[in-house]
Parts: sequence; C-alpha cells; structure tokens
Amino acid sequence: QSVLTQPPSVSGAPGQRVTISCTGSSSNIGAGYDVHWYQQLPRTAPKLLIYGYINRPSGVPDRFSGSKSGTSASLAITGLQAEDEADYYCQSYDSSLSGSVVFGGGTKLTVL
Amino acid sequence: QVQLLQSGAEVMKPGASVKVSCKASGYTFTSFGINWVRQAPGQGLQWMGWISPYNGDTNYAQRLQGRVTMTTDTSTSTAYLELRSLRSDDTAVYYCAKSRYRGSRAAYDSWGQGTLVTVSS
Repeated sequence: QSVLTQPPSVSGAPGQRVTISCTGSSSNIGAGYDVHWYQQLPRTAPKLLIYGYINRPSGVPDRFSGSKSGTSASLAITGLQAEDEADYYCQSYDSSLSGSVVFGGGTKLTVL
Repeated sequence: QVQLLQSGAEVMKPGASVKVSCKASGYTFTSFGINWVRQAPGQGLQWMGWISPYNGDTNYAQRLQGRVTMTTDTSTSTAYLELRSLRSDDTAVYYCAKSRYRGSRAAYDSWGQGTLVTVSS
C-alpha cells in the first residue's frame, strides 16, 4: 500500500476536464512537503508534469494544473486529448519513514 | 540538452549482485542530485534512493538498506546503482533521474531510458 493514495483509474471524453487526487497525511503533504506529478506514457520513462504543487516545467501545456488542500493534492487536466491517455503519479516526501521520497500508486487515465 | 544514458538489460541469478550505470550529459553533474526509481512489471514507481554527486551524500529507502549502494564518478559524470542479494521480486525496470536541484526532495526533471533487470534461476 502506498503512503500516498491515488484512484486506480479515471476517464473522460475528449475536451472534458478530469482531476486526479493524491491523498496523504500529516507526515507528508500535510507537513507542507512539496508534491510533484509525473506522466508516464506506455513503455516510456516518466516525465515531470508539475513540481512544487503548481509549477509547470517549460513545454508542459497549461491544460495541466496542480493544487493542494490540507493533506491532499490534485492534478487537473482540461481540454482532454487522446494523447493524455497515460499513467499519472504523485510524489512527495515523508518524514515518518527515515526521510523517504514516496510515490502514489498511480492513476490510469483513459480518454474515451 | 540533458541526457541520461543507462546501461543495457541484465539477467541475473537469485543471490547475485547487479550494477547499473547512468551516464549524464548536457549539464553540470555535481550541481544536481541523482535518484534511482524502479518499476516492477505492471506496477507503480518505487523510490530507491538519492545521491549527491557533489559530496557523495546518500539517502536510501529503508526497505533496501543493506542491499543497495549508490555511487558516482564525477570524472565521467556517471552514477551507479548496485543491488545485492537479488531476489525474484527485484525484477523491474530501473530508472535514474536527475533532480531539479541538489537536494533529495526535488522533483525529477530528466529521466534515463530505463534498464530492465530480470532475476531468474
């Protein structure tokens, strides 16, 4: 079981908006540690999508946005496109595990 | 541009050790951390640890303590991951990834292509 909890799957039609949640606790997200998001297309390495909750690296479309509330973080994707179909992972730091980086279990996004 | 080039696939026997390399280019190697992440077949990402090429500081995942060693060679801008006493559940794709800054909590802005390590008798 992952320290950060994500829904196993989400889906949406092209053009729609979807959100992916990442629920943590007081020892990670709730403690104020940054959350980062990655996109992993099939059979490829992960790619950084959002860092520090809300920041997009150069080249990432503004259709992708991040937010935080309490002990949770969310990734929103607007104007869904077929090429967004991928696995998405959140990442943070947990102070209760001898200082470990932790990933969420991943969410499979299906574009209908 | 930033590139991380990893060594090729390995097939290992249970109990053996494996060493995976990750050669960095396109940036100042000692200015950013290197992280190792693995992904078992059909599974999610699992953090293995971090190393600072600047001073050799490391932070390993608790579950791997005693079996893993991360090192760097600054003369060749190469990072290494050694995993010992291999078991079948170590079968995974192993990725190296560059941190956005030197510390261990930074996001990973560049990734290697991955190295498949298969542990089988």
